[in-house]
Amino acid sequence: QSVLTQPPSVSAAPRQTVTLSCSGSSSNVGSNGVNWYQQVPGEAPKLLIYYDDLRPSGVSDRFSGSKSGTSASLAISGLQSEDEADYYCAAWDDSLNGQVFGGGTKLSVL
Amino acid sequence: QVQLVQSGAEVKKPGASVTVSCKASGYDFTLYALHWVRQAPGQGLEWVGWISAGSGSAKYSQRIQDRVKITRDISATTTYMELTNLRSEDTAVYYCARESVAAAATCDLWGQGTRVSVS
Repeated sequence: QSVLTQPPSVSAAPRQTVTLSCSGSSSNVGSNGVNWYQQVPGEAPKLLIYYDDLRPSGVSDRFSGSKSGTSASLAISGLQSEDEADYYCAAWDDSLNGQVFGGGTKLSVL
Repeated sequence: QVQLVQSGAEVKKPGASVTVSCKASGYDFTLYALHWVRQAPGQGLEWVGWISAGSGSAKYSQRIQDRVKITRDISATTTYMELTNLRSEDTAVYYCARESVAAAATCDLWGQGTRVSVS
């Protein structure tokens, strides 16, 4: 059972916009920055968004993050087949004194 | 080239220990912290622990803190994760990941992963 809650799967058509959700608590999402990682099967995760809504250099502006209270979201616009992957949210948890992850959302581009 | 290169796959019996290494190159090793994250087959990511490469201080997941130890060798720019008293549920791919200097608890560079099988 993951500390952060994500829907197991989401699907959408190419060129659409999809939003992935991540729910936590006051000790993690509510008090620390949320990061989002993309993982293509068989590969290592890749940082997409950090500190709720910041994009590392080289990450497409089709990816955007937001947060409100103890919930965070990752939006992907102009969906492409290459966006098919697992997406994980993560945050530091002050109570557990460690990093916590969501269970991941598998994105399918129909 | 900035990269993290991990040691090869391991097969261990229950009760044994395993050490996975992670060699950093292309950046100032002592300026960054290093996280270890594992992923069981078909499962999500789980944080294992963290070490400050500069000070050597480490912090571990409460779930396995009594069985894991993370160390580093500055001269070798290498971090090590040792897991003892292995169980079948430790079977996973273990990743090392560098923490960004701009964002705490943010992993901006990942190793290729090391598969550890306990059987």
